[in-house]
Amino acid sequence: KAGVTQTPRYLIKTRGQQVTLSCSPISGHRSVSWYQQTPGQGLQFLFEYFSETQRNKGNFPGRFSGRQFSNSRSEMNVSTLELGDSALYLCASSSGGLRYEQYFGPGTRLTVT
Amino acid sequence: DQQVKQNSPSLSVQEGRISILNCDYTNSMFDYFLWYKKYPAEGPTFLISISSIKDKNEDGRFTVFLNKSAKHLSLHIVPSQPGDSAVYFCAAIKGGSQGNLIFGKGTKLSVKP
Repeated sequence: KAGVTQTPRYLIKTRGQQVTLSCSPISGHRSVSWYQQTPGQGLQFLFEYFSETQRNKGNFPGRFSGRQFSNSRSEMNVSTLELGDSALYLCASSSGGLRYEQYFGPGTRLTVT
Repeated sequence: DQQVKQNSPSLSVQEGRISILNCDYTNSMFDYFLWYKKYPAEGPTFLISISSIKDKNEDGRFTVFLNKSAKHLSLHIVPSQPGDSAVYFCAAIKGGSQGNLIFGKGTKLSVKP
């Protein structure tokens, strides 16, 4: 089974721009979660989608948004980029059932200049 | 307020010996715990998990122990191999919570030949 894929792997943007990151989950997985990893804060939960619905959201500003499509693929968008948004953005998929294991993609390294 | 804490930023172990990674949590509502391994420039890889109704789970060289009264869990790797050198993250989730894994800051394990 193919793993979680994320595109692009690396991205450089300028402050004030917006960015869209993409995630394709493991086949059959309906839940997709997004995390931000920074050296100072570690791994922090952004939001989770299941069957095209956002079920849970972390403590991030409204500039961070996401969506999920009918094929379970997900995108996250960050508008009005700030320097502090520079981070590794990780997507994880799970079956969404009673087991809580999540399987991560390689991440997208976003640099905001 | 860190709900999941890994108090040792790093650990060095000789090849063939046991590696013990520790994790403490504060939220008694957590009922599922997971360990992930992360290499640089890759996403976290799921290693092993344990439900709060158990006190031990074993998978090959990896064993996780859970002490609910102490709110403490540990990951034992026996025997340690140089390929185990990576950052290990402990994560926890509340039952019924959708996608929101709470991560510790990680412990960097170095296994020396």
